[in-house]
Formats: sequence, C-alpha cells, structure tokens
Amino acid sequence: SAVISQKPSRDICQRGTSLTIQCQVDSQVTMMFWYRQQPGQSLTLIATANQGSEATYESGFVIDKFPISRPNLTFSTLTVSNMSPEDSSIYLCSVDRSDTEAFFGQGTRLTVV
Amino acid sequence: AQSVSQHNHHVILSEAASLELGCNYSYGGTVNLFWYVQYPGQHLQLLLKYFSGDPLVKGIKGFEAEFIKSKFSFNLRKPSVQWSDTAEYFCAVKGTGGFKTIFGAGTRLFVKA
Repeated sequence: SAVISQKPSRDICQRGTSLTIQCQVDSQVTMMFWYRQQPGQSLTLIATANQGSEATYESGFVIDKFPISRPNLTFSTLTVSNMSPEDSSIYLCSVDRSDTEAFFGQGTRLTVV
Repeated sequence: AQSVSQHNHHVILSEAASLELGCNYSYGGTVNLFWYVQYPGQHLQLLLKYFSGDPLVKGIKGFEAEFIKSKFSFNLRKPSVQWSDTAEYFCAVKGTGGFKTIFGAGTRLFVKA
C-alpha cells in the first residue's frame, strides 16, 4: 500500500491566480497521477507524472494550464494556473502500479471565486 | 477507446434491500477491474478488485462482484445494504500490466434507515 499526503486540503482562490498542490508519498513510486473530480462527476485523469521526464497530459489538458513537477520518486506538484470558476473542483493525487490498485490522497478541494 | 460505463447514477434503497450496481467496460486487451467507494467527506478507497482467477471476488463489508468476460461486465452486489453503505461507488478498469486507471461516472447510493 501507499500513504499519500496532499496539501492544501482545501483553498479558496481569486480568479486569475495560481495554486500549487503538493503530493508526498511514503515510498518511492515510478508513476504518479493527477486527477480532477468536478462536482457530481467522476474522476478525470489530468496527467501522468514520471520522475525525470515531462508529464504526459490527457486530451483536454495542457501544460500551460496545469504544469506539473516531479523532482524525485516520492513527490510531485500540480499547479492550476490562471484560475477561473470552472476550475473549482477536487484535485487528487494518485499512485498506481501494474500489480495492484491505485491509492489516493485525500484530495484538494479548490474553490475559485 | 477505453471506457467504463456505470448503469445507474443514483440509487435509493431501504435498509436490508439487495444491491446490484452495473458496470460495463470497453478495453482492447486483458484487464484488471476495481470497485472503489467514497464515503461522504472521505477519500476514495478500494472495495474490491479482480486480477485473475475466480471471477467472483469478495471485498470488504460484504460486497462482492462478478467478472463476466463475455459481457465485459463487473457488477457489484450486496445481499443486504445498511445505512452506512450510503456512498458513491466507482467502477474502474486498468489494462493488465498497465498503470493508468480509468473510472466510470460513479453511482450515488443512498440507503434509507
């Protein structure tokens, strides 16, 4: 299993500003994933973050809007840039291995006003 | 395209009623299948998973699911629900040997006491 800590747990931000979400894992993992869960909806994968390489973004998500860092095997950050109310969502960090299920942080509840 | 379809978005049951939540997937290859649960105010956690072997898998809290390969289905069941089962349930799929989990839209279950 993996224990994942996300910070902040929630934030209220002004539109046009940026927020960086941190994700810390208690063990080394190759891949980390960032999801968005909009109100009343399922989880949508934003990007996959590999240590030592650029993140891989899913369709509809771009690096300029959601820059990701992965400086080592236990840590990643996701920045939500130039926020608008449509970015209000829960953002989830996850780790996943081929031989087990995904593990999730507690999420960051973002409200953009 | 890879996708997961959950049949019901909202389900309301009385305590002691039986539960079956439908899940179908579309994936080009062998898969691992999961059901996750999200209780109000909590983060996602694994309910049960199928990797191989007996297609009838048992999970926590009396839940079980059956993998029917010919129907691309992985329905979740519980013979008698409790008020504490009120939660959102997500079916998910991952390619065997893969790292990226794809989620269904989720089913909100409300159990009346």
